[in-house]
Amino acid sequence: AQTVTQSQPEMSVQEAETVTLSCTYDTSESNYYLFWYKQPPSRQMILVIRQEAYKQQNATENRFSVNFQKAAKSFSLKISDSQLGDTAMYFCAFMSRATLLIQGAQKLVFGQGTRLTINP
Amino acid sequence: EAGVAQSPRYKIIEKRQSVAFWCNPISGHATLYWYQQILGQGPKLLIQFQNNGVVDDSQLPKDRFSAERLKGVDSTLKIQPAKLEDSAVYLCASSRQEKAGNTIYFGEGSWLTVV
Repeated sequence: AQTVTQSQPEMSVQEAETVTLSCTYDTSESNYYLFWYKQPPSRQMILVIRQEAYKQQNATENRFSVNFQKAAKSFSLKISDSQLGDTAMYFCAFMSRATLLIQGAQKLVFGQGTRLTINP
Repeated sequence: EAGVAQSPRYKIIEKRQSVAFWCNPISGHATLYWYQQILGQGPKLLIQFQNNGVVDDSQLPKDRFSAERLKGVDSTLKIQPAKLEDSAVYLCASSRQEKAGNTIYFGEGSWLTVV
């Protein structure tokens, strides 16, 4: 079974600074997907960014980018020019591509989360 | 496009009572998930449906939890009898699953407090 580990329970930075959240995972598969989700106090999970393991290029979405190190099984999220609205829980998640063989079997396995606070 | 709808948003019950949560997925999404998120932890998958069939319920405590998706659209998650450790947010999510790595969309969750 796959596992996802986020080793930073909490982080805090000043507005406009850059912050990097860490994530490692364990899998024996070679093809899979990785995601970062944001969860504000409302508790709704919002997709921030996704990475396909067979793509070497790191994904970027505006101020959000990832550093995907496949050999090290590491998937960190960098937030540039942080804003007050970035304050939230951030979850790293893994999705196996092998489950494509079973219709409807794709699922997310989440890490424990990192609480990020952006201070004014 | 309307998002994943869940109700009720908040529920407080005494232990040993029962509770039911309802979820309506995004239109056209064949796969529906129920996740349990205990405070300070990441979400844990309880049950996954493809249309009206169960794909995975390996982590569902079947002695007290049940879920159904009879017509392949909306779903109900029931807890009976509730225990103190069931206090959590219950997140419903849905996905098209037409291709690899389809995005999974989440509702706002149903907060349960068992006292």
